[in-house]
Amino acid sequence: DGGITQSPKYLFRKEGQNVTLSCEQNLNHDAMYWYRQDPGQGLRLIYYSQIVNDFQKGDIAEGYSVSREKKESFPLTVTSAQKNPTAFYLCASMIGAPGFKPQHFGDGTRLSIL
Amino acid sequence: GQQVMQIPQYQHVQEGEDFTTYCNSSTTLSNIQWYKQRPGGHPVFLIQLVKSGEVKKQKRLTFQFGEAKKNSSLHITATQTTDVGTYFCAGVGGATNKLIFGTGTLLAVQP
Repeated sequence: DGGITQSPKYLFRKEGQNVTLSCEQNLNHDAMYWYRQDPGQGLRLIYYSQIVNDFQKGDIAEGYSVSREKKESFPLTVTSAQKNPTAFYLCASMIGAPGFKPQHFGDGTRLSIL
Repeated sequence: GQQVMQIPQYQHVQEGEDFTTYCNSSTTLSNIQWYKQRPGGHPVFLIQLVKSGEVKKQKRLTFQFGEAKKNSSLHITATQTTDVGTYFCAGVGGATNKLIFGTGTLLAVQP
């Protein structure tokens, strides 16, 4: 079955530590997105990539970094510079121009501070 | 920047009652999408509206896109417990080509 796989499902970060969230898709989608969702709130865009080896900052990119070396993979690193990383992180992918096709989401990663 | 607000933030209904959530954008939208997120789950695409004044139905769900393409609504007739979740609108508008998600409406349905 085609889909988006995020791992791990739960992740704990220590002070001063960088952690990387994995996102893999086998839908052959060009565009991939990372969102952050805080309890009871909407989705805020962290980074997005519309093509391999290219990505753009979203609305809340500070303290995060990404790479897009392969079409299938778009890992997100939460760096120690992100002082409030506790949230639900969602990865999405889509084909075509933003807003004109559905975004497909992974099951998410819940990140907490130890 | 572009903002997309939804009201209400939270709605609690008795099973069988109707429910409506409203989505309002600060800028004109190219189109509007609606997603549903079950508790603990991820958003799932429901529908897309493109034309000004467009109305689409999916069983008990009715979606409407405003004439000015700055607002939209989702109406659920005779809610069921399976309708529980957060409903998000999302649209592309203004100078950006990014999909902006609304703030969401959490629907609770009491059996």
